[in-house]
Amino acid sequence: EVQLVESGGGLIQPGGSLRLSCAASGFSVSNNYMTWVRQSPGKGLEWVSVIYSGGNTYYADSVKGRFTVSRDNSKNTLSLQMYSLRAEDTAVYYCATDLKGGLDFWGQGTMVTVSS
Amino acid sequence: QAVLTQPPSVSGAPGQRVTISCTGSSSNIGAGYDVHWYQQIRGTAPQLLIYRNNNRPSGVPDRFSGSKSGTAASLAITGLQAEDEADYYCQSYDNSVTGSVIFGGGTKLTVL
Repeated sequence: EVQLVESGGGLIQPGGSLRLSCAASGFSVSNNYMTWVRQSPGKGLEWVSVIYSGGNTYYADSVKGRFTVSRDNSKNTLSLQMYSLRAEDTAVYYCATDLKGGLDFWGQGTMVTVSS
Repeated sequence: QAVLTQPPSVSGAPGQRVTISCTGSSSNIGAGYDVHWYQQIRGTAPQLLIYRNNNRPSGVPDRFSGSKSGTAASLAITGLQAEDEADYYCQSYDNSVTGSVIFGGGTKLTVL
C-alpha cells in the first residue's frame, strides 16, 4: 500500500529555518516524481518544488533560493529544507507523487506557521 | 494569481448536474498538456479525481467525468450528492513556468 507521511512542521520565527520530511512506503522515492505542494490558510493549492527520478529539481519562484528539496534513497524519504522563512510561507505542506498519472498519492500534510 | 482560471463557486441541488470550468492558455492546456482534477474535502488532503483529462482512478464513481478542448477543461458531476460538497482544483503544466506544475484557484461546490 502506498503511503506518504509528512513531519517536521511547527511554529518558527521569521528568518528561521525548518526541515520537512516525507516518509514513503509502498514505492521507491528514488524512481519516481516527488513534489511538494502547499496551501495557505483559506487559500488554494500552490506548487512548491519537484524532484524527478533523475535527480533534477525545480522550485516555484516564490521559494527559489530559500528552499531545497532532496531525497534519501536509503530511508525512502523526501525532504524540504526551508531557510529564511517568511510569514507568507505559512501553510500546510503536502508531499505528493505521480505514480500512474496526476498526483495520485498525497500525504496528510504538515503545518508550518511563521510568526514572531 | 492562479494560471488556470476556475469559478470561485458553483452550487446545485441533490441529483442535479454541475460543471466546473478550468480555463488556461496556449502555454498550458492549449499546448496539449494533460489536465488533472482533485477533490479536497474540508480539512483533508486533496485526492485525485480525474487524471489525464478524462480518466478516473479506481474507486472514483462514474458520476465524475472530465473533458478537455482547446485551452480549457471541465469537470462534470452528475447525480449530485451531499458528500460531493468540497473544493475542486484543476492542475496542468505550463511551458513558461519554472517546474511547469500549475493549479487552478479552486472551486467551492455547495450542495443545496
